[in-house]
Amino acid sequence: AQRVTQPEKLLSVFKGAPVELKCNYSYSGSPELFWYVQYSRQRLQLLLRHISRESIKGFTADLNKGETSFHLKKPFAQEEDSAMYYCALKRGGGATNKLIFGTGTLLAVQP
Amino acid sequence: DARVTQTPRHKVTEMGQEVTMRCQPILGHNTVFWYRQTMMQGLELLAYFRNRAPLDDSGMPKDRFSAEMPDATLATLKIQPSEPRDSAVYFCASGLSGANVLTFGAGSRLTVL
Repeated sequence: AQRVTQPEKLLSVFKGAPVELKCNYSYSGSPELFWYVQYSRQRLQLLLRHISRESIKGFTADLNKGETSFHLKKPFAQEEDSAMYYCALKRGGGATNKLIFGTGTLLAVQP
Repeated sequence: DARVTQTPRHKVTEMGQEVTMRCQPILGHNTVFWYRQTMMQGLELLAYFRNRAPLDDSGMPKDRFSAEMPDATLATLKIQPSEPRDSAVYFCASGLSGANVLTFGAGSRLTVL
């Protein structure tokens, strides 16, 4: 069965501190992993996807198949990064675009 | 800027009442999803349609929930009868089959008293 685990419901850091939002998954095949973000009073939106190997708003995430993890990192947190972050998994390949989400982590960046 | 439109944005109702939430997916998108957001469970997938056909509704309580797509421009999620534990934000999302990105609506916040 596909499952996404985000162990922290809340992560509070000070501005300028490094951030790591943890995500672990279970899936027997080759998954595609994503991070979605929901800022206050805004819609849930895609932040980044592992296949793009991109850095968005200073965030990066590396897929570690050995540890089945896809942690989201940023070296220096900003107040505007405060939001709810969801890790999501999609079965690799095929026609499906069904996403399985984790429970989410609320990131609070203190001034 | 194409958007997924959900109505109502907020709904307060009493236990036992019927609730219907509506979603207009982005024109041309052939997959539609209903998710429920709660603090404890995060985003749970309730139903998934492709080309208006239901593909997966295993996450949906069958006794009280039903999801349909009467046409390509409308998806509905109905709860009858509603219960306080159904209180949550319900999100609709649409996308293209095989693509990696889902576009989410603003959500319908349901409160059942």
